[in-house]
Amino acid sequence: EAGVAQSPRYKIIEKRQSVAFWCNPISGHATLYWYQQILGQGPKLLIQFQNNGVVDDSQLPKDRFSAERLKGVDSTLKIQPAKLEDSAVYLCASSSIQGPKNIQYFGAGTRLSVL
Amino acid sequence: GDSVTQMEGPVTLSEEAFLTINCTYTATGYPSLFWYVQYPGEGLQLLLKATKADDKGSNKGFEATYRKETTSFHLEKGSVQVSDSAVYFCALAAGGTSYGKLTFGQGTILTVHP
Repeated sequence: EAGVAQSPRYKIIEKRQSVAFWCNPISGHATLYWYQQILGQGPKLLIQFQNNGVVDDSQLPKDRFSAERLKGVDSTLKIQPAKLEDSAVYLCASSSIQGPKNIQYFGAGTRLSVL
Repeated sequence: GDSVTQMEGPVTLSEEAFLTINCTYTATGYPSLFWYVQYPGEGLQLLLKATKADDKGSNKGFEATYRKETTSFHLEKGSVQVSDSAVYFCALAAGGTSYGKLTFGQGTILTVHP
């Protein structure tokens, strides 16, 4: 079974530029998550989708971050404009159902450097 | 809100030494608890989990027991190997309005020397 796919693996941009990340979850997984992992810290949830609907985006900086999952499968996360503090690894995860007992499977992440 | 606290790192051990990484949590209700491992250049992988009090999760020689009375989920391994060198994250998934969302600790870097 293929895992969670993310691209690109690395991205370097200058502040105030825009950037987009792509995620394709495990086939059949209805729930998709985007996490931000700043160096030296644990991942922090940005947004959670159930199919193509948003379940939780309370930690998403909506003035500059946006995410969509239009067909309930793959998803994109966009930052516009980027700030220096957005430098982090952006992780996508998926699970077959919602709930505290369900396992989330993670992609390898996209490492973003904002200069 | 929910939170997870891990012991300060990094941890450096010799091969075959005993490993303990402490993890305590704060959450309402009855969360599920997880240990994830991140090897260099790779994504997070689930190591083990426990979904209710007194459950013991185990995998690859690692163990952790869900202790509700002490709100802890300490990770242990009797004899570590060089290949265990990685970053270990304790996490919880709560119910209620945060249904399924993972809250992570800050991670503990483990280095095992031959």
